[in-house]
Amino acid sequence: DAKTTQPPSMDCAEGRAANLPCNHSTISGNEYVYWYRQIHSQGPQYIIHGLKNNETNEMASLIITEDRKSSTLILPHATLRDTAVYYCIVRAYSGGGADGLTFGKGTHLIIQP
Amino acid sequence: DAGVIQSPRHEVTEMGQEVTLRCKPISGHDYLFWYRQTMMRGLELLIYFNNNVPIDDSGMPEDRFSAKMPNASFSTLKIQPSEPRDSAVYFCASRAWTSSYNEQFFGPGTRLTVL
Repeated sequence: DAKTTQPPSMDCAEGRAANLPCNHSTISGNEYVYWYRQIHSQGPQYIIHGLKNNETNEMASLIITEDRKSSTLILPHATLRDTAVYYCIVRAYSGGGADGLTFGKGTHLIIQP
Repeated sequence: DAGVIQSPRHEVTEMGQEVTLRCKPISGHDYLFWYRQTMMRGLELLIYFNNNVPIDDSGMPEDRFSAKMPNASFSTLKIQPSEPRDSAVYFCASRAWTSSYNEQFFGPGTRLTVL
């Protein structure tokens, strides 16, 4: 799996958009970008994933640069409940198979009231 | 669906004792994963199963650790004998083979303290 680099922490005001960057300059063509988050004292939670197109779901948007070497997770209207550690994970999708996830240190996002 | 269920939620034991952590995956999921989280090492994959068969146990730290999945709805992670450095939060996760992406659903974790 390609290595990812994320800032260790970020602050964002409640109600504003939170933009979390991730660098993955060694990503290969068959590798997806996944985002998970872990709220304090809970298990990680899947947010979104993408290959090369931008993606949006009810939780967030994922913007992947054209060269796929970096991406940004966007929480459009951050709330206090979005305070968590956000993990960017790059891995190949193995079809019907599945391997474990490799978590880095992530970004600790703190939403300020 | 109740999600992934883990028990106990908290376990405090003394060094040398046997510890058994339990996990019930989401019904219908074919894959089950055990992770460990510590401040020093973060989240690490220990082992995972497919259709109750262990596929990759390369993350299991020592022979003191063992995991079983006797049926599709139950798995255990056992530590015998336990040591203080085993203190961590242990997460179980499951995934469906039919999932169109690699989403894993995590349980709430078991916080283990070995004194």
